[in-house]
Amino acid sequence: SYELTQPPSVSVSPGQTASITCSGDKLGDNFAYWYQQRPGQSPVLVIYHDMKRPSGIPERFSGSNSGNTATLTISGTQALDEADYYCQAWGNDAMIFGGGTKLTVL
Amino acid sequence: QVQLQESGPGLVKPSETLSLTCTVSGGSITSYYWSWIRQSPGKGLEWIGYVFYSGSTNYKYNPSLKSRVTISVDTSKNRFSLDLTSVTAADTALYYCASSTTIYFIKNWGQGTLVTVSS
Repeated sequence: SYELTQPPSVSVSPGQTASITCSGDKLGDNFAYWYQQRPGQSPVLVIYHDMKRPSGIPERFSGSNSGNTATLTISGTQALDEADYYCQAWGNDAMIFGGGTKLTVL
Repeated sequence: QVQLQESGPGLVKPSETLSLTCTVSGGSITSYYWSWIRQSPGKGLEWIGYVFYSGSTNYKYNPSLKSRVTISVDTSKNRFSLDLTSVTAADTALYYCASSTTIYFIKNWGQGTLVTVSS
C-alpha cells in the first residue's frame, strides 16, 4: 500500500521559517495537500494542489512538491501556528494521509 | 459554507455494526463529495471513503476497510451515513464527516464524534 512519511516533530523559533516534509514514492507525480489541526479542533486545509492557498489562509503558508518529497513551509512562524500538520495525497486508489508532524514554536 | 454535524452512538460492542449519520446544512446533498475520516486516539487521520450523489450514487472506499464499509445518502433528509460492520477495539476513534467539491482533498470538516468499541 502507498505510504506518506512525515517527521514526528519539528521545532521552530517565533519569526523563523519552519519546513515540514512529506515523503512518498513518486509523490511529485501527484498533487499533495496539507492540513493543520490545532489541539481539540478539526483539521483545516492550508495548502491544496501542491502550492495553492485556500481563501483565508495566511500568505506565510506555502508548499512545493517534487520527486519523492512535498514540503510545507511556514515563513515568519507565529505561536498560533503551533499544531499538528498532515500531508495527504492519492495513492493505490485511496486518499492517504501522512502520520502527522507536531510543530512546536519555542 | 457547508456545515456538518455527526451523530450516533458513542459506544458500540465488539462484532456489532457502527452506524453514524452526518446532517448537512448550507448545501445540497446532491452537490458535493461526502466523506468519512477517522482518527484513533492520539494518532493520525485515516480516510474511510466517500459518496457522491447526482441522480445515481458513486462511491469509493479505502481498500483496507472496503469489506466492512457502506456509505449512503438520504436525499430526503439531506444527510449521509456510515455503517462499519464487525467492529473491534481497533475501530475506536474520532469519526469525522467531511465534504468537498472535488475528490482530491477535504474542504469542510464536522467537529467529529468519538466512538468507543467495548463490551
